Amino acid sequence: GAVVSQHPSWVICKSGTSVKIECRSLDFQATTMFWYRQFPKQSLMLMATSNEGSKATYEQGVEKDKFLINHASLTLSTLTVTSAHPEDSSFYICSARDRGYTGELFFGEGSRLTVL
Amino acid sequence: AQKVTQAQTEISVMEKEDVTLDCVYETRDTTYYLFWYKQPPSGELVFLIRRNSFDEQNEISGRYSWNFQKSTSSFNFTITASQVVDSAVYFCALSEAQRAGNMLTFGGGTRLMVKP
Repeated sequence: GAVVSQHPSWVICKSGTSVKIECRSLDFQATTMFWYRQFPKQSLMLMATSNEGSKATYEQGVEKDKFLINHASLTLSTLTVTSAHPEDSSFYICSARDRGYTGELFFGEGSRLTVL
Repeated sequence: AQKVTQAQTEISVMEKEDVTLDCVYETRDTTYYLFWYKQPPSGELVFLIRRNSFDEQNEISGRYSWNFQKSTSSFNFTITASQVVDSAVYFCALSEAQRAGNMLTFGGGTRLMVKP
């Protein structure tokens, strides 16, 4: 089946630094990718919708200058957490929609960010 | 607006017992998709099933079965003869066909603990 890969799986950084998380669709082209955040023992909350070649659409309450999303190609979207703080520590999961198949979403393995 | 409610936050059962996880959804769309995902402690989301709104046929896959009732807006998930490996958090999710990219709205999740 289709595979979506995230990197890194784990990242620990100091407060104030920026962290980039990559989401790649390995065997299909994804015009749309989604970024979710999951705090411990909570559900997944959509942060933004990333469309290839255009600006991301952010959900209400998500700071676009804080969480920079770039979707430069049909197989890669990146999420950069800028000037990370401990409250940004979370599990970030991306999903990608196969452009050739409606209704099917594939999830990455997730990236666990810990900000010290 | 779409909404998914999983009223059971935690369920604990003994091995070999049957268990049903409830899911109730709200949507204004007539065309939508319902999903169940399993999230083991490692964090990745494991796809279990997708059902579209026009298909109310119940489905059985091994020890898993799903009951879709449009009249009550419910999409319940039953595990028969539960096993310790079934211990995980289970998420029900909804995708509306009219929403660009088919983004998912997740329920709060149900943590299932199967004791040996």
